[in-house]
Amino acid sequence: GQQVMQIPQYQHVQEGEDFTTYCNSSTTLSNIQWYKQRPGGHPVFLIQLVKSGEVKKQKRLTFQFGEAKKNSSLHITATQTTDVGTYFCAGPLGGGTSYGKLTFGQGTILTVHP
Amino acid sequence: GAVVSQHPSRVICKSGTSVKIECRSLDFQATTMFWYRQFPKQSLMLMATSNEGSKATYEQGVEKDKFLINHASLTLSTLTVTSAHPEDSSFYICSAGGGAGNQPQHFGDGTRLSIL
Repeated sequence: GQQVMQIPQYQHVQEGEDFTTYCNSSTTLSNIQWYKQRPGGHPVFLIQLVKSGEVKKQKRLTFQFGEAKKNSSLHITATQTTDVGTYFCAGPLGGGTSYGKLTFGQGTILTVHP
Repeated sequence: GAVVSQHPSRVICKSGTSVKIECRSLDFQATTMFWYRQFPKQSLMLMATSNEGSKATYEQGVEKDKFLINHASLTLSTLTVTSAHPEDSSFYICSAGGGAGNQPQHFGDGTRLSIL
């Protein structure tokens, strides 16, 4: 079945260092979404990517969608303590086009040491 | 922005108890809502799709008689964990806003269920 793999599982950085998490799907995705979940909280939508090779930026966050639409990455420049949390990628379950029924990657837990 | 409200946020109860969790879309109508389950430090796993006015669609391995879903209105879906046991202890989260069109998912705050 469809799998969305995400690495690394954990990442510890010093404040100011960069951080990247990678997401790979076993099937081509119509879109990929990224979410952030703070400790004890619920996932919060960050962004969605639809086009092959798409790159989007949100301040210090850069999101990329691979040319084959099977992989994606999230890069944070100069991390801050407020970036702490778990970052999930998610794609439509079963390779569909629905933005709602999602399969999530395992998530990357980011800790930032001040 | 769109808000999804989930209640209760925390439940602690004895084994054998049935627990109902509510998920409401506060400022939009949701014909479809989704229920996820998350174990500590793990990912979200889709349990079922809640469809307004019709039966829910369950993912493989999820017992429909164990996790009853009702979506009686365009703003409310409920998940009832029947005769809960310790292995049902988990974080249950609903979402809405997706489906047709370019709408991102908005998640409820989640319900942390602890069965003693």
